[in-house]
Formats: sequence, structure tokens, C-alpha cells
Amino acid sequence: SQTIHQWPATLVQPVGSPLSLECTVEGTSNPNLYWYRQAAGRGLQLLFYSVGIGQISSEVPQNLSASRPQDRQFILSSKKLLLSDSGFYLCAWTRGGKAFFGQGTRLTVV
Amino acid sequence: GDSVTQMEGPVTLSEEAFLTINCTYTATGYPSLFWYVQYPGEGLQLLLKATKADDKGSNKGFEATYRKETTSFHLEKGSVQVSDSAVYFCALINGGTSYGKLTFGQGTILTVHP
Repeated sequence: SQTIHQWPATLVQPVGSPLSLECTVEGTSNPNLYWYRQAAGRGLQLLFYSVGIGQISSEVPQNLSASRPQDRQFILSSKKLLLSDSGFYLCAWTRGGKAFFGQGTRLTVV
Repeated sequence: GDSVTQMEGPVTLSEEAFLTINCTYTATGYPSLFWYVQYPGEGLQLLLKATKADDKGSNKGFEATYRKETTSFHLEKGSVQVSDSAVYFCALINGGTSYGKLTFGQGTILTVHP
């Protein structure tokens, strides 16, 4: 079956600490992968988009980076978190008109 | 580039009222159109979709019709319930290939009062 796993579900990190959020996909190959952020009270903002291994498109300049070391793995990272990085991060994949979402990660930077 | 524009919220309704959330899009080609819903404290869920012009997607009493002539995909429900309170996102995936990019609208917050 086609699923997507995203972890952790919640995370509290101090300012200046590193970040690594992981997303893995099952049941498909060569999906398009996405990282979105949803700040409190706001809509979804596309952060990164990948059409293949090692291919990352950054939609907005920011303190974050993304990597796709394997076809079905997408990682969101930061070397030093800022308070403004707090939010709800959502991983998604699409292929041929289908779209699936992870459960999201609630990140609080303190 | 592709874009999706939703009506600005928040939208506040009384139970059993009629709901319309407007969504228009800009895209080349023939996109697939979606409505997603995010209930409080939960992740995004697919509510309904339409893959070609004049298709009507429906689910849980919600409906939306793919109107190519007006580039719209408005969400409607005849009688809303308190449990429909959520954030609703209109989205599209462009093209008939496997490489379409998922583009979201900004989301519309719906609050339904008893």
C-alpha cells in the first residue's frame, strides 16, 4: 500500500540547535517529494520540492535545507534553529495525480 | 507559474448554513484539482478531487465542480455541521505527467457554531 512516514510528531528544540526531520515513502517509486511549513494561523508554504535523488528546488530563502539521499527518503535539516523556525512541518509526495501527506511534525523552538 | 487563490477567511457560519469557499487557479495545461481538509490538531486529509473539466468531486456532503471556463473549483456544502470546523485547502497538480508539482492555496479557516 502507498504510505508516507514522517517523524518525529512533535519536537522541542533550543535556539541554535540542529534539526533533522525525516520522511520516507512506501508503495511507490520515483515520487515527487515536498516539504511544507504551516505557521500558526497561516496557510501552507512550500519550502522544498524534489523530483528525484539529489534534485532539490528551494522555493523560499531560509534557514533550512533539504536532501534526498534515496528515492523514497526526504530530509529537512537546519544547522542552527531560529525562533522563527517554529511551526508545523508537513512532508508530502505526489505521483501521477495522487497526493499523500505525512502526519506532520510540530516543531517548537525555545 | 501555477497558482491557487482561495477566498480569504476566516469564515464563520451557524450550523445548517450553506457553505461556499471559492477557489480559482492559474495553470498551463490540464491540472488535477483537489480540496484538502485539516481538522484541529490533525494532518491534511484529501477531501475530494476532480481530474478533468466538468468532473464533480464529492465526499462527506461536500462538492466541487471543475470549471475550466472560469478556472474555478469552488467548494460547497448544503448544510454544515460543527464537526466541519477546520482549515480547507484548495490545490492543484499540473499536467498529465508524473512530474506535476503540488500547489496549494493559502487555506480558509471555517468555524461552525451550534
